[in-house]
Amino acid sequence: AQKVTQAQTEISVVEKEDVTLDCVYETRDTTYYLFWYKQPPSGELVFLIRRNSFDEQNEISGRYSWNFQKSTSSFNFTITASQVVDSAVYFCALSEPNSNDYKLSFGAGTTVTVRA
Amino acid sequence: DTEVTQTPKHLVMGMTNKKSLKCEQHMGHRAMYWYKQKAKKPPELMFVYSYEKLSINESVPSRFSPECPNSSLLNLHLHALQPEDSALYLCASSQVSDRGMYGYTFGSGTRLTVV
Repeated sequence: AQKVTQAQTEISVVEKEDVTLDCVYETRDTTYYLFWYKQPPSGELVFLIRRNSFDEQNEISGRYSWNFQKSTSSFNFTITASQVVDSAVYFCALSEPNSNDYKLSFGAGTTVTVRA
Repeated sequence: DTEVTQTPKHLVMGMTNKKSLKCEQHMGHRAMYWYKQKAKKPPELMFVYSYEKLSINESVPSRFSPECPNSSLLNLHLHALQPEDSALYLCASSQVSDRGMYGYTFGSGTRLTVV
């Protein structure tokens, strides 16, 4: 069963538009961790954020913000005032240390293209 | 040092060759990982080493052989690969504690082409 679902395959926007990426996860564990990674065309996976299951506080970091809602099992990611450099594939990932050791289960990824 | 360093960045090998991918970190992380990523797909876990011991093998074919010589190094030995093994191979490391994983960090990967 898919543990992390990113329903949006591709999103294309014009610079300065806001972009929201959806992530829905599934787990029976009470302790788990959620991650967002960015993978630009160069290939490396860049860590953006880690959130544990006990911390539902939303977070803002510069133009990035995250909305974690346990009630809907969602961990959505918004890029405000997008820029061309934000063009990348974005992955949401889940870690379930109690039942799944240290494995990261990734969603299928959302390709974001920001046009000038 | 907050990096995971992978070498080489690119590798082309024939199906009869033997080669090795290397991964190094100096963050004191005690868990190290190999992931495989095909084009337009998410990374898929291959192996996990925890405290230099193999803890997870995700049913990877024996033509891939991992090795963890010490807490800072992780190798992936390749032998008799197939063209479908061509992919981006990512190494990662993380700290381990009772409260879970911290600092899950990926290297920039080795892009492998099997001809």
